[in-house]
Amino acid sequence: AQSVTQLGSHVSVSEGALVLLRCNYSSSVPPYLFWYVQYPNQGLQLLLKYTTGATLVKGINGFEAEFKKSETSFHLTKPSAHMSDAAEYFCAVTRGSGTYKYIFGTGTRLKVLA
Amino acid sequence: GAGVSQSPRYKVAKRGQDVALRCDPISGHVSLFWYQQALGQGPEFLTYFQNEAQLDKSGLPSDRFFAERPEGSVSTLKIQRTQQEDSAVYLCASSLALASGGISYNEQFFGPGTRLTVL
Repeated sequence: AQSVTQLGSHVSVSEGALVLLRCNYSSSVPPYLFWYVQYPNQGLQLLLKYTTGATLVKGINGFEAEFKKSETSFHLTKPSAHMSDAAEYFCAVTRGSGTYKYIFGTGTRLKVLA
Repeated sequence: GAGVSQSPRYKVAKRGQDVALRCDPISGHVSLFWYQQALGQGPEFLTYFQNEAQLDKSGLPSDRFFAERPEGSVSTLKIQRTQQEDSAVYLCASSLALASGGISYNEQFFGPGTRLTVL
């Protein structure tokens, strides 16, 4: 079975500060991991994904995440927050192929303070 | 556009009405998924199709929910006798999901969703 835990349903950071959104997963098989962003009344937009290979993954809008197997974590970071980063962020896990469902976390709402 | 499209974007139904939600996946995508996203929650899996075959419907919350994909492309999620607890955003996703030349395509592409409100 697979599961995802996102610590912190709400995170606030000042503009220009580091963004850190936490994601821990549980998986009995090698996981594929994703971060999605969702703006109000919009669908899910893929930020980045880890499948195999390099454990530090760079995504769009300056975000990156590191897959740490020993810690079963896939935290999302961005060195400097921008006002436009305010949104809901979801971490998801799945098995290797595209034939498996995604298991999503409950989401973290990021607020960026001016 | 080449993305996943869903219609309608918004649907208001009176309790007890039947609704049908449509998903147009990316052309050529074999796999199609439906998810339900309640307010303030992450998406939760409902059902999965590979071409026209419904291979997994373990996430459908009750027998009032029914999904089909008769020709292996467009899919419809139908909810009969809607209840207030059915109010949610229904997301559709598709993936190529074929192993070709040793490469497996696993990314799901999501549509914008249909927001269903049951009064």
